[in-house]
Amino acid sequence: KAGVTQTPRYLIKTRGQQVTLSCSPISGHRSVSWYQQTPGQGLQFLFEYFSETQRNKGNFPGRFSGRQFSNSRSEMNVSTLELGDSALYLCASSPSQGGNEKLFFGSGTQLSVL
Amino acid sequence: GENVEQHPSTLSVQEGDSAVIKCTYSDSASNYFPWYKQELGKGPQLIIDIRSNVGEKKDQRIAVTLNKTAKHFSLHITETQPEDSAVYFCAASKGYQKVTFGIGTKLQVIP
Repeated sequence: KAGVTQTPRYLIKTRGQQVTLSCSPISGHRSVSWYQQTPGQGLQFLFEYFSETQRNKGNFPGRFSGRQFSNSRSEMNVSTLELGDSALYLCASSPSQGGNEKLFFGSGTQLSVL
Repeated sequence: GENVEQHPSTLSVQEGDSAVIKCTYSDSASNYFPWYKQELGKGPQLIIDIRSNVGEKKDQRIAVTLNKTAKHFSLHITETQPEDSAVYFCAASKGYQKVTFGIGTKLQVIP
């Protein structure tokens, strides 16, 4: 079974631009979560989608948004990029049977904002 | 919301020694406590988990203990090997709510 696939692997943008990151979950997994990872803050939860609906949301500004498609693939978008948005963005899928357990992570997208 | 504290932030041990990482959580309703290992350039990978109705769980050289009364849980790695060097994250969750992670512990095993 293929793992969680995130594209692109690396991304360089400038302040004010917007960016879209993509995540393909493990086949059969209906839940997709997004996390921001920075050296000082650990793994910060952005949002979670289940069956195309946002089920949970973290404490990030409205510049961060996401969506999930009918095939469970997910995208997250960051508009008006700021220097502080530089981070590793991780996507995780879960079979989500009985709860949000056993997250399977992709390798992430490393975003650098210049 | 849930808050998970993890310590130490860094840990160095000699190969063959044991390593212990501790976490505390704030929400007494949390009932699922996983541990993830993140190697350089990769996403975190689940290595062991425990539910609130269990006090201890072992899998070869790793074990996790849970004290619900004190709201803390710990990861124990015995007979450490160089390939155990990585960043370890604890987490807590309940039902379909978001999974909250600790800050991470960078473990270095010195050959």
